[in-house]
Amino acid sequence: DQQVKQNSPSLSVQEGRISILNCDYTNSMFDYFLWYKKYPAEGPTFLISISSIKDKNEDGRFTVFLNKSAKHLSLHIVPSQPGDSAVYFCAASGVTSYDKVIFGPGTSLSVIP
Amino acid sequence: DTGVSQDPRHKITKRGQNVTFRCDPISEHNRLYWYRQTLGQGPEFLTYFQNEAQLEKSRLLSDRFSAERPKGSFSTLEIQRTEQGDSAMYLCASSPLSGRGQETQYFGPGTRLLVL
Repeated sequence: DQQVKQNSPSLSVQEGRISILNCDYTNSMFDYFLWYKKYPAEGPTFLISISSIKDKNEDGRFTVFLNKSAKHLSLHIVPSQPGDSAVYFCAASGVTSYDKVIFGPGTSLSVIP
Repeated sequence: DTGVSQDPRHKITKRGQNVTFRCDPISEHNRLYWYRQTLGQGPEFLTYFQNEAQLEKSRLLSDRFSAERPKGSFSTLEIQRTEQGDSAMYLCASSPLSGRGQETQYFGPGTRLLVL
């Protein structure tokens, strides 16, 4: 049973346009959500996070939106750059001092120059 | 020390051999995690240490797998009698112990294991 879902395995976007990566989760106990970016042959790199008490968090070109009622979050990248081409993982964890971080299967983003 | 390091980066071994991987976390981080990642999947949790104590192990971690963090600093992950299904990227991550929960994990570059 996949608790964190990324239903789009891949996404292609023109340079300068907006990239929107989507993520859905099933466990209502999740209260902290993260996005990681991964280049080939490297480990995932933390990108941005959001707590369940917020519905938006912004960091430069990256914005994460959280819709708790829909159990849905999205990552917006504006403007998209060729260097953003990577696999993006959505991840979620629960309310206690330690809860496992559960990762989605990832979305491969290609930004076309 | 600016990040999590892992050694080796690549390992090719024959089925049945034992392998050991090392992870050095960010120096001030109390928590250390091991994950496994296969093609087309996100990282899957294997085990977790808080200082030297191993607090949780996944069902994915069979009896052939063992992890240690003897002094609460670096950690090792050993796989005995490797099988072809063990071929994967093994990732280590660390995070600080803040007591607030919601801690961000920082990953190393991973060790790519290929079992022939």
